[in-house]
Amino acid sequence: DAGVIQSPRHEVTEMGQEVTLRCKPISGHNSLFWYRQTMMRGLELLIYFNNNVPIDDSGMPEDRFSAKMPNASFSTLKIQPSEPRDSAVYFCASSNRQGSSTEAFFGQGTRLTVV
Amino acid sequence: AQTVTQSQPEMSVQEAETVTLSCTYDTSESDYYLFWYKQPPSRQMILVIRQEAYKQQNATENRFSVNFQKAAKSFSLKISDSQLGDAAMYFCAYNAGGTSYGKLTFGQGTILTVHP
Repeated sequence: DAGVIQSPRHEVTEMGQEVTLRCKPISGHNSLFWYRQTMMRGLELLIYFNNNVPIDDSGMPEDRFSAKMPNASFSTLKIQPSEPRDSAVYFCASSNRQGSSTEAFFGQGTRLTVV
Repeated sequence: AQTVTQSQPEMSVQEAETVTLSCTYDTSESDYYLFWYKQPPSRQMILVIRQEAYKQQNATENRFSVNFQKAAKSFSLKISDSQLGDAAMYFCAYNAGGTSYGKLTFGQGTILTVHP
């Protein structure tokens, strides 16, 4: 399996522009998570889906952030309009509860820089 | 809400020596999962070791082992025979199990430096 695939790896955009981050979870996994990593706040959960349905979006910082999961193999995190304080590494992770295992597998992250 | 605390922002160890990273957590759940993740400069999050709260036996994975003290809500990571490749940021993480399906709460991280 190729693991969780995120694109792009790096994104530089100007303030006010729309940014879309993409994620392909591991085939067969039914939960998908978006995390954000910053120096100030560490790793924080933004939103997660189970069976393509958003379960908890309480970590989404503002209405400028939105996430979708149109099918089991694809998810997007969109920021519109982007601001410099959105600069961070964004991780996507997926998991599938089999027996007692709840391990989450992470993608390599997208480093977003908003200038 | 569950919280995870790593009180050591940085640690260092000599190659081939042993180092222990600390982690405490707060939860009202009785059944949950604890993890240690490694994040090298490549930024990839790599699972190091996992502990199920219902298991009394401490988890071990080669040179990595944990000291899980459920009553004290403590979950430390011991790295034996440290290698240069162990240098990374280490995160302790908590998962409530049940319907959380892998949702993780992370500690602040500990930067581990390995000296040759």
